[in-house]
Amino acid sequence: QQPVQSPQAVILREGEDAVINCSSSKALYSVHWYRQKHGEAPVFLMILLKGGEQKGHEKISASFNEKKQQSSLYLTASQLSYSGTYFCGTAGPGSARQLTFGSGTQLTVLP
Amino acid sequence: GAGVSQSPSNKVTEKGKDVELRCDPISGHTALYWYRQSLGQGLEFLIYFQGNSAPDKSGLPSDRFSAERTGGSVSTLTIQRTQQEDSAVYLCASRSISSGGYNEQFFGPGTRLTVL
Repeated sequence: QQPVQSPQAVILREGEDAVINCSSSKALYSVHWYRQKHGEAPVFLMILLKGGEQKGHEKISASFNEKKQQSSLYLTASQLSYSGTYFCGTAGPGSARQLTFGSGTQLTVLP
Repeated sequence: GAGVSQSPSNKVTEKGKDVELRCDPISGHTALYWYRQSLGQGLEFLIYFQGNSAPDKSGLPSDRFSAERTGGSVSTLTIQRTQQEDSAVYLCASRSISSGGYNEQFFGPGTRLTVL
């Protein structure tokens, strides 16, 4: 079942912060975050694993609440380059290597 | 090249025709995925290949869709008797399997399929 992302869209000014949420109705083993710019392929941002392990890069952080089956992506001091659509992909214990993606959150950073 | 490549980048076809989409994964990546992305939508999983294991075809929307992966590298997604609702961007991704196996997927640029 597809995870639910919120908000669907957000517009903010350069330097402002944003939080994107991803919620699943199923038990999660891992949450993956990707960013896709218009007309381009999705690019990896972050993986969060059950148990607290986190793999990622860039100045972006995320949390993973296993009990609530939720993850949040934190974008601080947004830059113009952060604009794009953010997708979370979730994997459950039974299908840990196959991701189910949310419908995306469109982030627009204005100067 | 260093990344995932897909061909063609764009494909326009007539309803009822068959199409083949190609994916060249990153060398050494044993996992390969196909996704479909309709306009303004998320990524819909289609099929997953891992090494010599039987592929996970659970995401294929109908029996008109099939995929194969030859020699554990190049993959071809075939859509038979295309319909207008098949119009979408088809994305391929590959992943290495290292310790734990939970590594990032690298996406190709996609093939934009338009069925007239």
